[in-house]
Amino acid sequence: DVKVTQSSRYLVKRTGEKVFLECVQDMDHENMFWYRQDPGLGLRLIYFSYDVKMKEKGDIPEGYSVSREKKERFSLILESASTNQTSMYLCASRGQGQTQYFGPGTRLLVL
Amino acid sequence: GQSLEQPSEVTAVEGAIVQINCTYQTSGFYGLSWYQQHDGGAPTFLSYNGLDGLEETGRFSSFLSRSDSYGYLLLQELQMKDSASYFCAVEDDSNYQLIWGAGTKLIIKP
Repeated sequence: DVKVTQSSRYLVKRTGEKVFLECVQDMDHENMFWYRQDPGLGLRLIYFSYDVKMKEKGDIPEGYSVSREKKERFSLILESASTNQTSMYLCASRGQGQTQYFGPGTRLLVL
Repeated sequence: GQSLEQPSEVTAVEGAIVQINCTYQTSGFYGLSWYQQHDGGAPTFLSYNGLDGLEETGRFSSFLSRSDSYGYLLLQELQMKDSASYFCAVEDDSNYQLIWGAGTKLIIKP
């Protein structure tokens, strides 16, 4: 079974802090994604990566950056956290097929 | 732009059949996927329609009609464990990314 893990289930940070969210997948997938999920808005794509050191902006990249130094690891960085970045963050990976495999999510609260 | 619409909430009775619709406006896509998400959990893949027609997987079926810009997920013999949110998503043919609907919360009553 594909396993996608995220570094934290819950995080509480203060406004202005730098926040790192990490995601690791164990299936050698080329594609990895970061979404945020807010009530009534579904999943919105922040960034994705189709290979090591490659990244593409999604629909809502403002205020975020990403890093993919190794194939199995995709990190989301909030350079200066703001209260409107309070959300559920979901990481996913995808191989050659169309199925995306999701991690358990990180619920981030920015105070 | 690309957009998908699905009802925000559907209520059904245990043992019954329920259909969750998804209508979309896209310039082009490869296929329609459905994902299930239980409260507090991660979305998990349910089904994919690359071609028009019906795909069946156990109690769940999914349908796509490109000419009508419409798809649906059909759940039969509903069980309490089917209480969850269901998302439709299309795979954009310009960048292979998924565009997601806002999700339908399925409430099942005994």
